Amino acid sequence: GNSVTQMEGPVTLSEEAFLTINCTYTATGYPSLFWYVQYPGEGLQLLLKATKADDKGSNKGFEATYRKETTSFHLEKGSVQVSDSAVYFCALSDSNDYKLSFGAGTTVTVRA
Amino acid sequence: SQTIHQWPATLVQPVGSPLSLECTVEGTSNPNLYWYRQAAGRGLQLLFYSVGIGQISSEVPQNLSASRPQDRQFILSSKKLLLSDSGFYLCAWNEPKTDTQYFGPGTRLTVL
Repeated sequence: GNSVTQMEGPVTLSEEAFLTINCTYTATGYPSLFWYVQYPGEGLQLLLKATKADDKGSNKGFEATYRKETTSFHLEKGSVQVSDSAVYFCALSDSNDYKLSFGAGTTVTVRA
Repeated sequence: SQTIHQWPATLVQPVGSPLSLECTVEGTSNPNLYWYRQAAGRGLQLLFYSVGIGQISSEVPQNLSASRPQDRQFILSSKKLLLSDSGFYLCAWNEPKTDTQYFGPGTRLTVL
């Protein structure tokens, strides 16, 4: 079956630091890959996505590249802000039924 | 544009009481609809999904049920709540045969 593995948190950073959250996946077929972000007390928001190998998704300074050879979709941001404090979820969408499989989430705290 | 609503936003219920959570989507027709639960400090678990009126698929056997009485309405119910039903319930939608899901603001349920 499909599965997603994220690096465990929590992650605490200083403002302007570089952020990387590792994500690897197991899937049959050709899934789409996603990063969702959840701010405190809120639902999930789509942060970025990639639908095929070597695609790069980007939004709000975050980037992730779909690496089929390493089955990875690591999230990066070059200079984080306090407002980036949130829980980040990696997910994949099954190409047959479009159901999402989520990683466990990584809590990121950015300190001023 | 499409919007998704959930209510109530928060709910505190005694053990053994019934439950009804509602989700509605605006601005689209015939969406796929999903219910997820997020237990404290944990990832998302898909509970139910629906591809049309009256069509419900259950992912995890449990104390809960779902119904879709109208095209853009998805209801999560229970006849008797358990302590373990506490959590953050998220509704999501996507257009058929597309892979990106969009989430509502969530309902935080506490069972005492």
